Amino acid sequence: DTGVSQDPRHKITKRGQNVTFRCDPISEHNRLYWYRQTLGQGPEFLTYFQNEAQLEKSRLLSDRFSAERPKGSFSTLEIQRTEQGDSAMYLCASSLGGQTVLLSGANVLTFGAGSRLTVL
Amino acid sequence: GENVEQHPSTLSVQEGDSAVIKCTYSDSASNYFPWYKQELGKRPQLIIDIRSNVGEKKDQRIAVTLNKTAKHFSLHITETQPEDSAVYFCAASYGYSTLTFGKGTMLLVSP
Repeated sequence: DTGVSQDPRHKITKRGQNVTFRCDPISEHNRLYWYRQTLGQGPEFLTYFQNEAQLEKSRLLSDRFSAERPKGSFSTLEIQRTEQGDSAMYLCASSLGGQTVLLSGANVLTFGAGSRLTVL
Repeated sequence: GENVEQHPSTLSVQEGDSAVIKCTYSDSASNYFPWYKQELGKRPQLIIDIRSNVGEKKDQRIAVTLNKTAKHFSLHITETQPEDSAVYFCAASYGYSTLTFGKGTMLLVSP
């Protein structure tokens, strides 16, 4: 499978616990994005990386959230001290970025299947 | 930042009818407008996109139109089929900026 992979697909946790999600992007993509999606809403941007550099973070990303992409390949999103309001689908996406985006004028995102978090 | 409004939130049509979903955006610098389809429990998938130097783009039964002056763009699906039932999201971005999504339209196509 050469698409975007996310793990785990489902996570149920108790309030106050820490959780970590992993995303493996398409191998040739240098940009990686994290979005959050709640029921009946569109994906909301959280953060993105170009290679290993985290270039932008949304104000939705509180200090309990941290994301890493240590070697510019896979990424992890950790949520500390989870709250019930963190229950959502966490979507990862990747794109080529770079000159391809500039030349084409299109930052085409390919999404993973998501990691659904339920906080009890 | 960019703000994308999408209407309607739900749309019910009979099989064979046409469906139109409309979006407006706030940032006049936005130049890329994709549409994603998300079936229940599945990932959003790109179905069509348009760049600001084009007014209309077609791909079989789907088409997207863009009015830069009015800052709105629309998705048109003709000859709808039950398998078109899904949630459709519009989005907008400029260059390297992140995609901002609308809240989605649930399309229900009845046989």
